[in-house]
Amino acid sequence: AQKVTQAQTEISVVEKEDVTLDCVYETRDTTYYLFWYKQPPSGELVFLIRRNSFDEQNEISGRYSWNFQKSTSSFNFTITASQVVDSAVYFCALSPLSSGTYKYIFGTGTRLKVLA
Amino acid sequence: KAGVTQTPRYLIKTRGQQVTLSCSPISGHRSVSWYQQTPGQGLQFLFEYFSETQRNKGNFPGRFSGRQFSNSRSEMNVSTLELGDSALYLCASSHEKPSEKLFFGSGTQLSVL
Repeated sequence: AQKVTQAQTEISVVEKEDVTLDCVYETRDTTYYLFWYKQPPSGELVFLIRRNSFDEQNEISGRYSWNFQKSTSSFNFTITASQVVDSAVYFCALSPLSSGTYKYIFGTGTRLKVLA
Repeated sequence: KAGVTQTPRYLIKTRGQQVTLSCSPISGHRSVSWYQQTPGQGLQFLFEYFSETQRNKGNFPGRFSGRQFSNSRSEMNVSTLELGDSALYLCASSHEKPSEKLFFGSGTQLSVL
């Protein structure tokens, strides 16, 4: 089975706090990609990052950082010093390649509320 | 470069009717996929088209169908609407490979009364 689990339905933090969004995935494919997307109130999902299954290096982009651990099948996302503009729904997604499918499997999303 | 365009933005229908949603991908993108988003369910994959061919289909009933035209524009159709079809329908495009990042439209909010 291929599945993405985002156990945190909603998180509220006060501005400037750090926050980590969890993502756990399941796949039998050996080659796959993992993604994070942000969905602001406008509705349009915006790409944040892509990681392939062979690259476990952590990545930092400004206030955003991602921790990919194959051993625990997790791909967590941390926002440092959160801002009100970070308020959105965040989706983790899996794109398996070995099985020849052409689809993403999305998690159910985590709604982040950053309070001023 | 224009983004992914979905029309209409909002739609209200009654049970039993049918509806057609439209999606224009980013110029040069040949892959178009459709997702249904409902509260608590996240994004559910409907289908993906590439060069006018459906490459994959999600677990939705046959009432949901789609097609892609030679200019890569895509439409999805839902026949015999049910209350449970109320959702945000999102279209996404990419160049061609399944591992590429997706560019999403703002979606069509469908309400079935």
